Amino acid sequence: NAGVTQTPKFRILKIGQSMTLQCTQDMNHNYMYWYRQDPGMGLKLIYYSVGAGITDKGEVPNGYNVSRSTTEDFPLRLELAAPSQTSVYFCASTYQQGKDYGYTFGSGTRLTVV
Amino acid sequence: AQSVTQLDSHVSVSEGTPVLLRCNYSSSYSPSLFWYVQHPNKGLQLLLKYTSAATLVKGINGFEAEFKKSETSFHLTKPSAHMSDAAEYFCVVIITGGFKTIFGAGTRLFVKA
Repeated sequence: NAGVTQTPKFRILKIGQSMTLQCTQDMNHNYMYWYRQDPGMGLKLIYYSVGAGITDKGEVPNGYNVSRSTTEDFPLRLELAAPSQTSVYFCASTYQQGKDYGYTFGSGTRLTVV
Repeated sequence: AQSVTQLDSHVSVSEGTPVLLRCNYSSSYSPSLFWYVQHPNKGLQLLLKYTSAATLVKGINGFEAEFKKSETSFHLTKPSAHMSDAAEYFCVVIITGGFKTIFGAGTRLFVKA
């Protein structure tokens, strides 16, 4: 059982380039999330999905896009990378969004935009 | 408004001494509270959770936390620190209905030999 798998682990982008951060889970979780983590700021929600074909914006969606064509996969797309997008990105999933369910996190993607 | 405040950005303890990581929350609704741990270059791992059952919650690796409604606190403790406990710890609140999750800013725990 792999849990939540993120690729790549590290990436350096030049300003204006694009890339896709991959996230896949094998737990048949309906709910998936993308967070970014900046030093001293906790985690901020970028986008989330409550099931295949359904996505919605979180707190900090500008500069990002997502899709959810299958239950397993939830890629995050960065168009026109900017230095402000330098961060660590975490994908997470949960069986059901609610009080009793914690998240399973991937190991993160460390992105630097130069 | 709902919020989570971790009162210390850094905590340093000696190996074998107690650990206390403080978390206060603000919520108009009955919350669920979680503690997660993040080791360097790793994802977040669930330590323990409070979901309106027992107020003293035991988690993995000897950690426990007590929910105190009157103080709106959910502090994380461990009787004796181990070197492997050095990590960043996040207090997380899920608001009733589960539609909003709030992460604290994190507390980095250092353990000295």
